[in-house]
Amino acid sequence: KAGVTQTPRYLIKTRGQQVTLSCSPISGHRSVSWYQQTPGQGLQFLFEYFSETQRNKGNFPGRFSGRQFSNSRSEMNVSTLELGDSALYLCASTQTGDADTQYFGPGTRLTVL
Amino acid sequence: AQRVTQPEKLLSVFKGAPVELKCNYSYSGSPELFWYVQYSRQRLQLLLRHISRESIKGFTADLNKGETSFHLKKPFAQEEDSAMYYCALLYSGAGSYQLTFGKGTKLSVIP
Repeated sequence: KAGVTQTPRYLIKTRGQQVTLSCSPISGHRSVSWYQQTPGQGLQFLFEYFSETQRNKGNFPGRFSGRQFSNSRSEMNVSTLELGDSALYLCASTQTGDADTQYFGPGTRLTVL
Repeated sequence: AQRVTQPEKLLSVFKGAPVELKCNYSYSGSPELFWYVQYSRQRLQLLLRHISRESIKGFTADLNKGETSFHLKKPFAQEEDSAMYYCALLYSGAGSYQLTFGKGTKLSVIP
């Protein structure tokens, strides 16, 4: 099976802009989680989607949002970008979203200037 | 609140020496613990999961509930083991599961 894919791999934006990142899970996986990875804070949970519904959300401001489509692909959106949003954004998929192993994508490197 | 602590940011060992990467957790429920590894320019990937009790690439980890630890061990380090290692706790929150990660330990194996 193909692994989790994320597009784009690299992105440069300026403060105040918005950005949309995409994640395609492993075929048959219905749960997608998003994480932010920074040198200072490490890996932090953003949110999780299952069957087009957000089931869980981490401690991030409302500027961070997401959605999931009927084919399980997911997008996350960050509005009004700040310098501190520069990070590697990872998505992970599991079959059911329960206590399964999460499989990670390569990430999208977002740089905010 | 759940927390994962990896006390060492960097660990350097010589090739052939034993390796122990420390991980301590704080969680009121029954823990589900993982070790993930990230090799240079590769994606984060699962190394092992405590319930499977497997040995992957010579690494093992035992869950010690009394000490709330899940240390990763390997008897003889190899150069290809050089990577970032993350300990993670899977827990249920608001109807779904999420991973809480430690800050990671960079393992450097010196030839």
